[in-house]
Amino acid sequence: DTGVSQDPRHKITKRGQNVTFRCDPISEHNRLYWYRQTLGQGPEFLTYFQNEAQLEKSRLLSDRFSAERPKGSFSTLEIQRTEQGDSAMYLCASRGTGAQGHYGYTFGSGTRLTVV
Amino acid sequence: SQQGEEDPQALSIQEGENATMNCSYKTSINNLQWYRQNSGRGLVHLILIRSNEREKHSGRLRVTLDTSKKSSSLLITASRAADTASYFCATPYGGATNKLIFGTGTLLAVQP
Repeated sequence: DTGVSQDPRHKITKRGQNVTFRCDPISEHNRLYWYRQTLGQGPEFLTYFQNEAQLEKSRLLSDRFSAERPKGSFSTLEIQRTEQGDSAMYLCASRGTGAQGHYGYTFGSGTRLTVV
Repeated sequence: SQQGEEDPQALSIQEGENATMNCSYKTSINNLQWYRQNSGRGLVHLILIRSNEREKHSGRLRVTLDTSKKSSSLLITASRAADTASYFCATPYGGATNKLIFGTGTLLAVQP
């Protein structure tokens, strides 16, 4: 168990390009969350997976955003036609259930996206 | 949207001093959690306090919870330069989803 891994750590892209981020959660955690954090703010919820099922999406997740979690393991977050307002830190977190872990969440180090 | 506010927004103290930060939230909760975030990094879970608990300790951390006032406080005793970070309170929300709703954070600077 090496924690939650996110890749890449940093991404600079031109406006209008598509980007994809990857999150590898703790292997036995079946719950996976994506958050977005802008400078000086707390993280804001984007979407939630339980196993491979995407069970909730925030209104922040416009139709340019899509997330997947094939086979209930790693997850990807894709942003199409990026805009400058998409510049933020994108955080992934995972969490087990019941005896698998405490109620706290384990966060990855995040992917910092800069749209120029 | 943010669950609540944290106070102060920024705090600067000297090593060895105690740091207290406060969090207010809006809805009823099952538990409240505190996280630390070093600059440009992910969040690290510090401590969780359940709604039926009033105080909890973990090392140099002391957390209190007042559900009647919908507020919590985090006390860091004998602070160190390595405690310099942003601190966030968060509450799970949304039934089975249990997504975390974060406060706005307190930026703590501990001067050596």
